[in-house]
Amino acid sequence: QQPVQSPQAVILREGEDAVINCSSSKALYSVHWYRQKHGEAPVFLMILLKGGEQKGHDKISASFNEKKQQSSLYLTASQLSYSGTYFCGTAYSGAGSYQLTFGKGTKLSVIP
Amino acid sequence: NAGVTQTPKFQVLKTGQSMTLQCAQDMNHEYMSWYRQDPGMGLRLIHYSVGAGITDQGEVPNGYNVSRSTTEDFPLRLLSAAPSQTSVYFCASSGTGGAYGANVLTFGAGSRLTVL
Repeated sequence: QQPVQSPQAVILREGEDAVINCSSSKALYSVHWYRQKHGEAPVFLMILLKGGEQKGHDKISASFNEKKQQSSLYLTASQLSYSGTYFCGTAYSGAGSYQLTFGKGTKLSVIP
Repeated sequence: NAGVTQTPKFQVLKTGQSMTLQCAQDMNHEYMSWYRQDPGMGLRLIHYSVGAGITDQGEVPNGYNVSRSTTEDFPLRLLSAAPSQTSVYFCASSGTGGAYGANVLTFGAGSRLTVL
């Protein structure tokens, strides 16, 4: 089951904040966040584990609500370089990172 | 460091032709995966491998074969290409050092395949 991302697209002006959500109908073990710029490969941003452990970039924050099976990615004081498509990838109990199920993506456009 | 290398970057096939997409990584990663990306669909898992000699199917395996004879290489074979296989294909690898399910995926640059 593919996780559901919202919104599908968002347009921000530089300096504005955004939240991208990722929801699953199955119990999650971990949630990965990746950003993909047009014509390029996805690049790692953040991993959140059941139990609260996180690893990722200092300038990007995220949360993991185990009760709701939902993760949110917080982008603050957006810069032009934040533009791209953001994907969440979910791993369920017993599954490794090699079996991530990705959402359909959220396209973020930051304009001057 | 080369990371994950995919070849070719672009390929055009006719329906029924066969071809192999190559993927090689130099990070000594045990885990490797193939994804396809279609507009509005996100990344969908085709096949994956947890080590040399061990492969398994993902979400959309039909029409694709894989093998893993070495840790470094994980080729994806299309035996009889169909227009529905027109897509961008990404190979990814990850290590085993972290908690299960928490290892970062490193993606290759992608291979854009068009089947006419």
